[in-house]
Amino acid sequence: NAGVTQTPKFRVLKTGQSMTLLCAQDMNHEYMYWYRQDPGMGLRLIHYSVGEGTTAKGEVPDGYNVSRLKKQNFLLGLESAAPSQTSVYFCASARTEKNYGYTFGSGTRLTVV
Amino acid sequence: KNQVEQSPQSLIILEGKNCTLQCNYTVSPFSNLRWYKQDTGRGPVSLTIMTFSENTKSNGRYTATLDADTKQSSLHITASQLSDSASYICVVSSSGGYNKLIFGAGTRLAVHP
Repeated sequence: NAGVTQTPKFRVLKTGQSMTLLCAQDMNHEYMYWYRQDPGMGLRLIHYSVGEGTTAKGEVPDGYNVSRLKKQNFLLGLESAAPSQTSVYFCASARTEKNYGYTFGSGTRLTVV
Repeated sequence: KNQVEQSPQSLIILEGKNCTLQCNYTVSPFSNLRWYKQDTGRGPVSLTIMTFSENTKSNGRYTATLDADTKQSSLHITASQLSDSASYICVVSSSGGYNKLIFGAGTRLAVHP
């Protein structure tokens, strides 16, 4: 049982390049989330999904897009990377709306130069 | 504004000693409060979850308390071990909207031999 798996673990992008971060969970969770973690700040929600085929904006959605075509996968896209998007990105999934059993992936460290 | 503040920002203790981490929050409406442990380079892992009616909850050497009246929580670590070195994050769940999680910036704990 792998839980929540994020790929890649590390990536360096040049400003303006695009990339997709993949999050996969094998717990049959309905809810999935993308967060970013910056030094000295708490995790901030970028986008989330309450089920297959659904997505919604979180606290800091600008510059990111997401898709949830399959229940087990939640993709985070950066269309034109900016240095301000340098961060550690975490995916999480949850079984219920009240988020009990919230499980995080191990993160993707992204640097935009 | 919903906020979660943690203190201290960082803490160094000797192996075997006890310590207490603090969390103050201004989140409404309140659903539950969680403490997470985040090892370096890893995603957060849940330690405890407390609802409004719970005053204390333990998980091994970790004991969390909640005072919903003063909106304060603490995490007490007993007989610290080197493996306790990590960041400890206080997270408050708001029952408004999509059950939003508000993250504190964390307390970085270093346990020295």
